[in-house]
Amino acid sequence: DTAVSQTPKYLVTQMGNDKSIKCEQNLGHDTMYWYKQDSKKFLKIMFSYNNKELIINETVPNRFSPKSPDKAHLNLHINSLELGDSAVYFCASSQLDSRETQYFGPGTRLLVL
Amino acid sequence: GQSLEQPSEVTAVEGAIVQINCTYQTSGFYGLSWYQQHDGGAPTFLSYNALDGLEETGRFSSFLSRSDSYGYLLLQELQMKDSASYFCAPQSNYQLIWGAGTKLIIKP
Repeated sequence: DTAVSQTPKYLVTQMGNDKSIKCEQNLGHDTMYWYKQDSKKFLKIMFSYNNKELIINETVPNRFSPKSPDKAHLNLHINSLELGDSAVYFCASSQLDSRETQYFGPGTRLLVL
Repeated sequence: GQSLEQPSEVTAVEGAIVQINCTYQTSGFYGLSWYQQHDGGAPTFLSYNALDGLEETGRFSSFLSRSDSYGYLLLQELQMKDSASYFCAPQSNYQLIWGAGTKLIIKP
């Protein structure tokens, strides 16, 4: 049983395209996150949702838009992809009162050409 | 402001003990988490310290000193499979603060 799953695992696309990454968790958690990890392994939080409501929105270009249809899903849509968007994107989940323990998905490796 | 410091790389020998240090500066500090990430993999939770002192989980221990804004992860009886990146992540208000982690290289 996969706890946190993401699709797709790999995404290669051209600059200017629009793409989406989907995330689902079956842990019953109420909080979900999107992280970006660059080539130097620097991990940065982008967004966090609690029960479908946005609670963290770091300084991220408006081209990135998260959507949470229900508390088990958090998708990330990226418009007008740029070269600098190439990175690994991780979805994670936790309980709101146990944010120290987050469960990560396998990551989506995005390469923008 | 917020800051987080850990060494970028540490090298150790199989079977030895290694300590990865972490200093942080953040407001609204709750506790310090440690995560492990193998190359090509996802971060996985190792330990959490909310109170000062040492927490032991098998071969891994984690220490926190809130007054010094300092913690460390101690890995004993190193195995080749421990080769990975290790992230300390202080919890500040509603989120974890992350950096680039420490790459642990283990030599036979």
